[in-house]
Amino acid sequence: GNSVTQMEGPVTLSEEAFLTINCTYTATGYPSLFWYVQYPGEGLQLLLKATKADDKGSNKGFEATYRKETTSFHLEKGSVQVSDSAVYFCARGSGNTGKLIFGQGTTLQVKP
Amino acid sequence: EAQVTQNPRYLITVTGKKLTVTCSQNMNHEYMSWYRQDPGLGLRQIYYSMNVEVTDKGDVPEGYKVSRKEKRNFPLILESPSPNQTSLYFCASSWAATQYFGPGTRLTVL
Repeated sequence: GNSVTQMEGPVTLSEEAFLTINCTYTATGYPSLFWYVQYPGEGLQLLLKATKADDKGSNKGFEATYRKETTSFHLEKGSVQVSDSAVYFCARGSGNTGKLIFGQGTTLQVKP
Repeated sequence: EAQVTQNPRYLITVTGKKLTVTCSQNMNHEYMSWYRQDPGLGLRQIYYSMNVEVTDKGDVPEGYKVSRKEKRNFPLILESPSPNQTSLYFCASSWAATQYFGPGTRLTVL
């Protein structure tokens, strides 16, 4: 079916560690792909996006590359900070409706 | 400031008591939607609207209603809330496939 799957959390890292959060999707065609971040007590904010194959989205030191061969959009950051502690959602677009299909979210905890 | 606002932010109510959660955006977006967020399930779309007077069901519409009389407003209505509608609700508006979310409404139905 059409879905988005993320690695289960929580992910606990020490400050300055390397981060990878895996995300794979199933879809017909090549949907736009997104990462959203939700800080405690807040709504979701767009972190980065990619609209076609091989595109790389980047923002605030985070990166993700649209890999159509592996239907993946893994989120990476070279050196995490305590302030990156949040829930991260991978999502894909659905047709032309503007709808997003979300993964279940991955909680990241960064310890000093 | 471009934003999506929701009210109330927190609400505790009882089974069967009708309630409305308001949503407003100031970005002149045509597309708006409502999601609910539940642990382990991510966000699931309840209803969406492509434009004024155009609404359609999302993935989990049962027990909810919406209306879109003006472009900026998209209220979510629970005619007879039940405990399984206890959740965190987000309104969003969209442009160019990017969705902009409100701060969320935490609803508890006793």
